[in-house]
Amino acid sequence: GQQLNQSPQSMFIQEGEDVSMNCTSSSIFNTWLWYKQEPGEGPVLLIALYKAGELTSNGRLTAQFGITRKDSFLNISASIPSDVGIYFCAGQDEKLTFGTGTRLTIIP
Amino acid sequence: NAGVMQNPRHLVRRRGQEARLRCSPVKGHSHVYWYRQLPEEGLKFMVYLQKENIIDESGMPKERFSAEFPKEGPSILRIQQVVRGDSAAYFCASSPRQRTGRYEQYFGPGTRLTVT
Repeated sequence: GQQLNQSPQSMFIQEGEDVSMNCTSSSIFNTWLWYKQEPGEGPVLLIALYKAGELTSNGRLTAQFGITRKDSFLNISASIPSDVGIYFCAGQDEKLTFGTGTRLTIIP
Repeated sequence: NAGVMQNPRHLVRRRGQEARLRCSPVKGHSHVYWYRQLPEEGLKFMVYLQKENIIDESGMPKERFSAEFPKEGPSILRIQQVVRGDSAAYFCASSPRQRTGRYEQYFGPGTRLTVT
């Protein structure tokens, strides 16, 4: 089956630092999505990417859809405490195939 | 605007009982998806439904699990004769069908099923 691998698995950063995480797939997807999940809640959509090479921003978040359609990265600039959570990438072909997640922790 | 609603938020069942999970999509969305999440893992697709139709159930276990999305009312995920391995968080997502082909999925808060 399709697999999406995310890295890193976890990150420990200080407030104000920039964050970068990426996601690779063994298959091509036409749409990539990035979600954030907090404890006890459902995933919240952050950014959607539709075209290979597309670079999209949403506030302090920036994501790019790889040219090969098999990878994507998400950057968060100037992290703040509310950025804490688990970030998932997902490839879409009707249904979503989720990545393994990156857990972001901010060190006080 | 109400988002995706799921109830109950928490459900405890003894082994052998039935579990019924409900999902009301975003108003105007006609497509519903169910996903399961085990602790410390990503979400795994189970089933995709449109009103009165199952479109893709490739992620559903062959036995004990069923889903429906009737013309009126919420979508229901039903698990018969639950076992401990069914303990997980079950999420519903809904999406519109747009001419552009862009149909992001929006998730509900989930139902956490515990089988004792």
